[in-house]
Amino acid sequence: EAEVAQSPRYKITEKSQAVAFWCDPISGHATLYWYRQILGQGPELLVQFQDESVVDDSQLPKDRFSAERLKGVDSTLKIQPAELGDSAMYLCASSTGRPITGELFFGEGSRLTVL
Amino acid sequence: QKEVEQDPGPLSVPEGAIVSLNCTYSNSAFQYFMWYRQYSRKGPELLMYTYSSGNKEDGRFTAQVDKSSKYISLFIRDSQPSDSATYLCAMKINTDKLIFGTGTRLQVFP
Repeated sequence: EAEVAQSPRYKITEKSQAVAFWCDPISGHATLYWYRQILGQGPELLVQFQDESVVDDSQLPKDRFSAERLKGVDSTLKIQPAELGDSAMYLCASSTGRPITGELFFGEGSRLTVL
Repeated sequence: QKEVEQDPGPLSVPEGAIVSLNCTYSNSAFQYFMWYRQYSRKGPELLMYTYSSGNKEDGRFTAQVDKSSKYISLFIRDSQPSDSATYLCAMKINTDKLIFGTGTRLQVFP
């Protein structure tokens, strides 16, 4: 069964360091999402890509976060510098690009702890 | 006030019980309503999807939407220990982004 791949699964870093997360969506899925899920809360959209273009990055803290999907396939989310409040699960999801039903396929997430 | 409110629980029930999970929302423009299930240390997976008002049944699961009250529910019949997870409601306007609730943690004990 096709899955969304994410790495690393766990990352511990000190504040002010740089971190990066990688996502490989399900093959053929044009739309890719990065969500942040703080413990005890629901996922919040950080950025949405349609192929290689950013569709929505209104909630992305652009002073420290960046995301790219250069060839319209896999994607990288970077945080520099990391802050204590960035500790969360970073979830990548993909869809066929016709997400009327809301079916996003999520990866297992990358859990970030900032010390 | 958040757009989507959900009781965080935790909710602990015995095996075989009927479980009711609920969300309220403030934006009357929401048209698509979903329930996602998230097991511990995993990503969410879509469980049920409903468009506009009404009921939808899938096996032991029933989703209800009451747009007049801005209230959605997920019912689980004959709950099983394997149903133990966090249940997230989510909703959207047409092709707009999904807005998630905070999730309700459910534990079903044998």
